[in-house]
Amino acid sequence: AQRVTQPEKLLSVFKGAPVELKCNYSYSGSPELFWYVQYSRQRLQLLLRHISRESIKGFTADLNKGETSFHLKKPFAQEEDSAMYYCALPHGNNRLAFGKGNQVVVIP
Amino acid sequence: EAQVTQNPRYLITVTGKKLTVTCSQNMNHEYMSWYRQDPGLGLRQIYYSMNVEVTDKGDVPEGYKVSRKEKRNFPLILESPSPNQTSLYFCASSSRSVGSPLHFGNGTRLTVT
Repeated sequence: AQRVTQPEKLLSVFKGAPVELKCNYSYSGSPELFWYVQYSRQRLQLLLRHISRESIKGFTADLNKGETSFHLKKPFAQEEDSAMYYCALPHGNNRLAFGKGNQVVVIP
Repeated sequence: EAQVTQNPRYLITVTGKKLTVTCSQNMNHEYMSWYRQDPGLGLRQIYYSMNVEVTDKGDVPEGYKVSRKEKRNFPLILESPSPNQTSLYFCASSSRSVGSPLHFGNGTRLTVT
């Protein structure tokens, strides 16, 4: 069963435009959700987690239990936001399921 | 510097020739895990370990083995590699379990011919 769905593989946006990456999950109970980011030639790193309720690099993500979503948003995209973004959900016995990822390209 | 170190970064091998990808972390983390990253499939968990001598299968464990004899090391072993194991592999660790942020290694790009 697919636990995390990221429907768009590639998202191109112009610099200064808003960006939204969709993440839907399937999980019974109270989920913990994460967004990880992989910049070019760098290792995967945590961007933000929903329990922190903080904004990192201008990104925010709100957990919507009714819609089972954890979309990542930024009001004004910057060139340095070009990266691969993964939504992730812990499940089962200490497993972490990742979505298939979103490649974001910010056009100058 | 706190980090997860994988070796080698690149590896080309032939079908059936046993190989080991090493992973070491210097953060005294209990949880360690291996993932493979394939285009269109995202990251898939191969194996994970909650602590020394405690390992368990992830979502795609077939064809892989792991061991956790020491807290800092978590090698990934391919006893008889096959071309469908050509992939980018990542090791990761966290202080507790998957509820804690994962720290990733730089990745190992494996090609099996």
